[in-house]
Amino acid sequence: AQSVAQPEDQVNVAEGNPLTVKCTYSVSGNPYLFWYVQYPNRGLQFLLKYITGDNLVKGSYGFEAEFNKSQTSFHLKKPSALVSDSALYFCAVRDNTGANNLFFGTGTRLTVIP
Amino acid sequence: EAGVAQSPRYKIIEKRQSVAFWCNPISGHATLYWYQQILGQGPKLLIQFQNNGVVDDSQLPKDRFSAERLKGVDSTLKIQPAKLEDSAVYLCASSPVGFEQFFGPGTRLTVL
Repeated sequence: AQSVAQPEDQVNVAEGNPLTVKCTYSVSGNPYLFWYVQYPNRGLQFLLKYITGDNLVKGSYGFEAEFNKSQTSFHLKKPSALVSDSALYFCAVRDNTGANNLFFGTGTRLTVIP
Repeated sequence: EAGVAQSPRYKIIEKRQSVAFWCNPISGHATLYWYQQILGQGPKLLIQFQNNGVVDDSQLPKDRFSAERLKGVDSTLKIQPAKLEDSAVYLCASSPVGFEQFFGPGTRLTVL
């Protein structure tokens, strides 16, 4: 069975500092991994995905994520945080049975402090 | 390109009442998903359609929840009768086959 863990409920970072939001996964077979962001009263917005290839994936709004197979991690990163990055971030892994279902973590609330 | 549309955005009902949510996916997207997101949790898949057929409804509480996707385009999710624990945001998403999912704004349901 597949699962995703986001060990931090809350991450606080000062504006301009680098940020990391952590995610670890468990899946049989090759992992298909995703990051989504959710702003208040909005649906989830796709940020980036890892399917295969380069372990460093670049996505929207300057975010990137590093896939680490040995540590089964897919941490989200950004070199310089903006106040507007404050939101709820979800990591997800795709079902490998062919149904393309996503299994989400519990989310991490990122607060960027001016 | 228009996004996934959902209505209503908010709904307040009393327990044992019925409620229905509507979703219009992005044009051309064959796959449609309904998720339930309880406060403080990640979204949980309720049902997945491919065109107008059900691919996965293993997590759908079928004694009270039903969903349909007539003509393979828009979809309706119904709860009858509602329970307090159904209070959540109901998210609809769509995707081309095998690609990332695009989410609508959600419907926030409060059951009193």
